[in-house]
Amino acid sequence: NAGVTQTPKFQVLKTGQSMTLQCAQDMNHNSMYWYRQDPGMGLRLIYYSASEGTTDKGEVPNGYNVSRLNKREFSLRLESAAPSQTSVYFCASSDLEWGLAGGRDEQYFGPGTRLTVT
Amino acid sequence: DAKTTQPNSMESNEEEPVHLPCNHSTISGTDYIHWYRQLPSQGPEYVIHGLTSNVNNRMASLAIAEDRKSSTLILHRATLRDAAVYYCIPYFGNEKLTFGTGTRLTIIP
Repeated sequence: NAGVTQTPKFQVLKTGQSMTLQCAQDMNHNSMYWYRQDPGMGLRLIYYSASEGTTDKGEVPNGYNVSRLNKREFSLRLESAAPSQTSVYFCASSDLEWGLAGGRDEQYFGPGTRLTVT
Repeated sequence: DAKTTQPNSMESNEEEPVHLPCNHSTISGTDYIHWYRQLPSQGPEYVIHGLTSNVNNRMASLAIAEDRKSSTLILHRATLRDAAVYYCIPYFGNEKLTFGTGTRLTIIP
C-alpha cells in the first residue's frame, strides 16, 4: 500500500500561472482533505470531500478549486497563483465512521507539495 | 471550536518519559481529544485519542483530567525519533480537524 501520494513534490510558479496538485489514496477511504501549512504555523483546511461527488469549503478556500474525480483521487487547483499561496500543501484521507469508531478520526497524510509563487 | 493552549516548545532527554500538556478549557461534552504529531518534513500522523478515560496504545498514553479541561500526552521512553511537533485537537467529527501551532519537542541525546 502506498497510502496517500501527492504530485508534484516541488513546484515553482510565477504570479498568475495556474496549476493542479494531484492526490490519490489506495485505502478505500471515503473522506479526503486538502490543507496548507505556512512556515511556523499549523495546518489550515482548504477544502474537504466527505464522499465521492461532494466537496465543501474549509477555513481558507479562497483562490482554490477542488475536484473529487473518483473515490481515490482529489485534486486542488490554483487558477491564478499569488505569492500569498506560497506554502506546503498536504492531502489527507480518512475513513470517518464517527459513530462506529468510538470518536476516532485517523487522517492519513501525504508527503506534501512545496509550492513557491514568485 | 474549542481553544487549546500548548507550550511552544519542550525538551527532554532520550530514554526518559515526556509529559506534553494541553489546556482545552472550552471543550464541549462531545469533543474527543485527538493528538497528532508532525515529524520534520513530513505530514502529520495520528497518535492517540480519548473522551474521558485514560487511554494507552503502542505509541503513547493519554491522561485526561476529570473535568476534561486539560490532558497530557505521555511518551514513556522518548527516542530521537519522537522529536516532532505535537498537536492537541478537540474534535467532534465534523470533518474539520483544527491544528494550532502545537508543541515542538526536542529530544536531547
